[in-house]
Amino acid sequence: ETGVTQTPRHLVMGMTNKKSLKCEQHLGHNAMYWYKQSAKKPLELMFVYSLEERVENNSVPSRFSPECPNSSHLFLHLHTLQPEDSALYLCASSQESTAWVDDEQFFGPGTRLTVL
Amino acid sequence: QKEVEQNSGPLSVPEGAIASLNCTYSDRGSQSFFWYRQYSGKSPELIMSIYSNGDKEDGRFTAQLNKASQYVSLLIRDSQPSDSATYLCAVLPKPRTGTASKLTFGTGTRLQVTL
Repeated sequence: ETGVTQTPRHLVMGMTNKKSLKCEQHLGHNAMYWYKQSAKKPLELMFVYSLEERVENNSVPSRFSPECPNSSHLFLHLHTLQPEDSALYLCASSQESTAWVDDEQFFGPGTRLTVL
Repeated sequence: QKEVEQNSGPLSVPEGAIASLNCTYSDRGSQSFFWYRQYSGKSPELIMSIYSNGDKEDGRFTAQLNKASQYVSLLIRDSQPSDSATYLCAVLPKPRTGTASKLTFGTGTRLQVTL
């Protein structure tokens, strides 16, 4: 396990439900990310927060709403999801600087989401 | 054209052999390159990073980068059954203007090491 935790690990929800995914990093990093991983597709970057400010949206539907209250915590609020949103949702963090090297991202264990 | 391309596999190699995993990318401005290993049902785990042309070795793993050919590879020597996983290539596609690195991932190559 890395220094990035995610809860819950598994979530089943109906299309009318509202739920939230939580991510916490214990690495002292200053950037956090949400990714979606579907079968046979590359990892899709959904949101990026750097120094608690959202810097990337990547045209994600509004039924996904991120929140980053501080540099250690990241949430993904879900509402009125569709069955095609079923996937593995991964959180990652990194320590960003102006240097090119060391842009390494560390992933949490993921939340397996099933939308019925 | 996909930004980062990998053969999906499966790539099957016998135990003790060298596994060679390949990745090509489309953006010539790419600066940083990463290999992640992902076991079934688990999250990606960083195993190698490379920034300069040439080879970089770490234990049984060697990453090779050729920016002129837009090609990065991962060699695994003395392959073990525990190496069986999906290997994801990730590329930082553009010069970074902000403070966050927006990696682009390939679909991954599934490696099977047989006994």
